[in-house]
Amino acid sequence: GQNIDQPTEMTATEGAIVQINCTYQTSGFNGLFWYQQHAGEAPTFLSYNVLDGLEEKGRFSSFLSRSKGYSYLLLKELQMKDSASYLCAVPSFSGGYNKLIFGAGTRLAVHP
Amino acid sequence: EPEVTQTPSHQVTQMGQEVILRCVPISNHLYFYWYRQILGQKVEFLVSFYNNEISEKSEIFDDQFSVERPDGSNFTLKIRSTKLEDSAMYFCASTSGDGYEKLFFGSGTQLSVL
Repeated sequence: GQNIDQPTEMTATEGAIVQINCTYQTSGFNGLFWYQQHAGEAPTFLSYNVLDGLEEKGRFSSFLSRSKGYSYLLLKELQMKDSASYLCAVPSFSGGYNKLIFGAGTRLAVHP
Repeated sequence: EPEVTQTPSHQVTQMGQEVILRCVPISNHLYFYWYRQILGQKVEFLVSFYNNEISEKSEIFDDQFSVERPDGSNFTLKIRSTKLEDSAMYFCASTSGDGYEKLFFGSGTQLSVL
């Protein structure tokens, strides 16, 4: 099965950098996703890591260590609009079909 | 970017009533999903659908739930006799099935069971 752990809440200041951690345990590894979810809205895709290392995409970067079962999402130059939940998710592959299993999410509050 | 569309955006129903939530997945996608999110909780997998049949379902997806692709575009979730605990946001999602399983989500249907 899958188990995903993330901090429940974080706060940060506008313009700062914040790192959101995720640890996971899976029976097989098919990559790791990060999604952003604003309150009352659908999750939207941020990043996908399948190899170890850092993937940078503008203000957001995502890191993966497969040996440690660990990932983080790094948000730079925080803006108020970055206040949202950040969901770590791993594919679960069974019977020939993939589905995403989500962590509980980390609710980030950005303050002026 | 292509979108998954869901209707209605909000649905209020009485306990015991049947509801049908509708979704139009992205046109060239092959795998379809329903997820739900109870307020303040995590996004939970309900069911996946491929080649006109259910490929996997969670323990939440009991006999009260069913899915259907009645034509070439729509994908529906039916709850036969709603319970108070079915109140949640229901998300439809689809993927292309090319091995990189990025889910594209619809904007969701907020179901309130009174």
